[in-house]
Amino acid sequence: DVKVTQSSRYLVKRTGEKVFLECVQDMDHENMFWYRQDPGLGLRLIYFSYDVKMKEKGDIPEGYSVSREKKERFSLILESASTNQTSMYLCASNPSSGRVNEQFFGPGTRLTVL
Amino acid sequence: AQSVAQPEDQVNVAEGNPLTVKCTYSVSGNPYLFWYVQYPNRGLQFLLKYITGDNLVKGSYGFEAEFNKSQTSFHLKKPSALVSDSALYFCAVSQNSGGYQKVTFGTGTKLQVIP
Repeated sequence: DVKVTQSSRYLVKRTGEKVFLECVQDMDHENMFWYRQDPGLGLRLIYFSYDVKMKEKGDIPEGYSVSREKKERFSLILESASTNQTSMYLCASNPSSGRVNEQFFGPGTRLTVL
Repeated sequence: AQSVAQPEDQVNVAEGNPLTVKCTYSVSGNPYLFWYVQYPNRGLQFLLKYITGDNLVKGSYGFEAEFNKSQTSFHLKKPSALVSDSALYFCAVSQNSGGYQKVTFGTGTKLQVIP
């Protein structure tokens, strides 16, 4: 089974802090994604990566950056956390073969910024 | 641009009754359609997908979905609901965008199965 793990289930940070959310997948997937989930808005894509050191902006990248130094690890960075970044953050991965592939999700990190 | 709509925020159904969770989509080309389920405090789990072929797709936990091109719909169905089916359900649509399949998720429908 594919396993996607996220470093924290719950996180509380203060406004202005630098926050790191880590995601690791164990199935050698090329593609990795970061979403935020908010009630009534569904999932919105923040960034994705299709290879090591490669990244692309999603729909809402402002206030976030990412890092992918190794194939299995994709980090989301909040440079200076703000209260409007309080949300559930979901990491996902899938292979980039020619097939149409579903995404495999981690359990999520619920971030609260005070 | 692609989009997906889930018109119902919540669906209530009695245990043992059939359930339907609605989804409509908009894409410029051929759609790839997905359903995911999210149990409380968990990530999303894949249920089923439509790529091409038979319009009725069967998935996990007894769920199925019907692709209707003329109505641009992909409704999720189950003949007999269980209390354990209570969860948040997301419809998603994608199409190839270069080498990457851009996926757009709906806003989610909360399914409540009443004992």
